[in-house]
Amino acid sequence: GNSVTQMEGPVTLSEEAFLTINCTYTATGYPSLFWYVQYPGEGLQLLLKATKADDKGSNKGFEATYRKETTSFHLEKGSVQVSDSAVYFCALSVDNTNAGKSTFGDGTTLTVKP
Amino acid sequence: KAGVTQTPRYLIKTRGQQVTLSCSPISGHRSVSWYQQTPGQGLQFLFEYFSETQRNKGNFPGRFSGRQFSNSRSEMNVSTLELGDSALYLCASSWGQGKETQYFGPGTRLLVL
Repeated sequence: GNSVTQMEGPVTLSEEAFLTINCTYTATGYPSLFWYVQYPGEGLQLLLKATKADDKGSNKGFEATYRKETTSFHLEKGSVQVSDSAVYFCALSVDNTNAGKSTFGDGTTLTVKP
Repeated sequence: KAGVTQTPRYLIKTRGQQVTLSCSPISGHRSVSWYQQTPGQGLQFLFEYFSETQRNKGNFPGRFSGRQFSNSRSEMNVSTLELGDSALYLCASSWGQGKETQYFGPGTRLLVL
């Protein structure tokens, strides 16, 4: 089956610190990979995605590279801000028959302190 | 373009009751998925509907059911509520083809007393 393993949280950083949230996956087939973010009181929203090996997704200073050889999709940001405090979910989606069904990691809560 | 909307946003019920939650997807999206989010279990997939047919189903008891209408709006129903059903229920829509991004609504927070 499909699964996503995320680095356990919570993660607390000071503003302007470097962020890495690890994500590894197992999948049948060739998945697309996603990072979603959930702010307090809201649903999830797409942060970035990558659809094939060596693709780099990026958005709002966050980036992640699809590494097929290590089955990983680690999220990084060079300098976090207080406004980045949220829960981050790594996810994968496989084939057309499961198009509406993504597999999510457990989420990593990030708190950034001023 | 309007996003995914869910109603109601908050709900309080007592054990044994039933509840119906509603989700309106982004216009043009034909796939609607439902997820249950709890602090202990994380995000768990309930089911997915595509063109009024249930296409995928998660590992939940039969008390959890859903349907999709011809306009792609979807409802999920939970019968005989249990305390453990207290959760945030998230709906997500997508075109329904391929390995695509899902667009989430804000969720319905259900509290069972």
